[in-house]
Amino acid sequence: QKEVEQNSGPLSVPEGAIASLNCTYSDRVSQSFFWYRQYSGKSPELIMSIYSNGDKEDGRFTAQLNKASQYVSLLIRDSQPSDSATYLCAVNRAGSYQLTFGKGTKLSVIP
Amino acid sequence: DGGITQSPKYLFRKEGQNVTLSCEQNLNHDAMYWYRQDPGQGLRLIYYSQIVNDFQKGDIAEGYSVSREKKESFPLTVTSAQKNPTAFYLCASSSDTANTGELFFGEGSRLTVL
Repeated sequence: QKEVEQNSGPLSVPEGAIASLNCTYSDRVSQSFFWYRQYSGKSPELIMSIYSNGDKEDGRFTAQLNKASQYVSLLIRDSQPSDSATYLCAVNRAGSYQLTFGKGTKLSVIP
Repeated sequence: DGGITQSPKYLFRKEGQNVTLSCEQNLNHDAMYWYRQDPGQGLRLIYYSQIVNDFQKGDIAEGYSVSREKKESFPLTVTSAQKNPTAFYLCASSSDTANTGELFFGEGSRLTVL
């Protein structure tokens, strides 16, 4: 059974702070890792993908992957109220069409 | 603009009725997917299709059916055999086999069984 675990939150951070979202996965052969943002009542939107160990930066977002520890994280620098959403972690095997999602972490950025 | 269109956005159904949710994409993507989301839950895969005239069951296919007669279209039928169909249904597509986890989603369809 492939599982993706996330802290459901809510995670509250003040505006301008760094938000750190964490995700662990059980399937050791997972190769691809994704972070989706979902605003309340809306559909998910891909914000980051990471395929290799280490860090990947895109604007205020940094994804971090440690395959040995089966751990992937998302850092949001200079958090803004508009970042308030649920963040879904997702993983799959190379070439697989079956993406496994975590239940999401709800982030609240306090002005 | 390219994207995925789902309809209807809201649907109410009586128990025992089949309903069909529409999903159309103009992104020229080969792969299409249907996910279900329940409150406070992650997304669960119902069906996916890699190419026209082919589709595969996901984790929770029981009580659902799909077809893929055109590249652009991937409708989902929620049958009366689905015991708990009230949920948020999301259609998605992906562009190539190398990055199958990079999904584009439609706006979703909320189904409520009365």
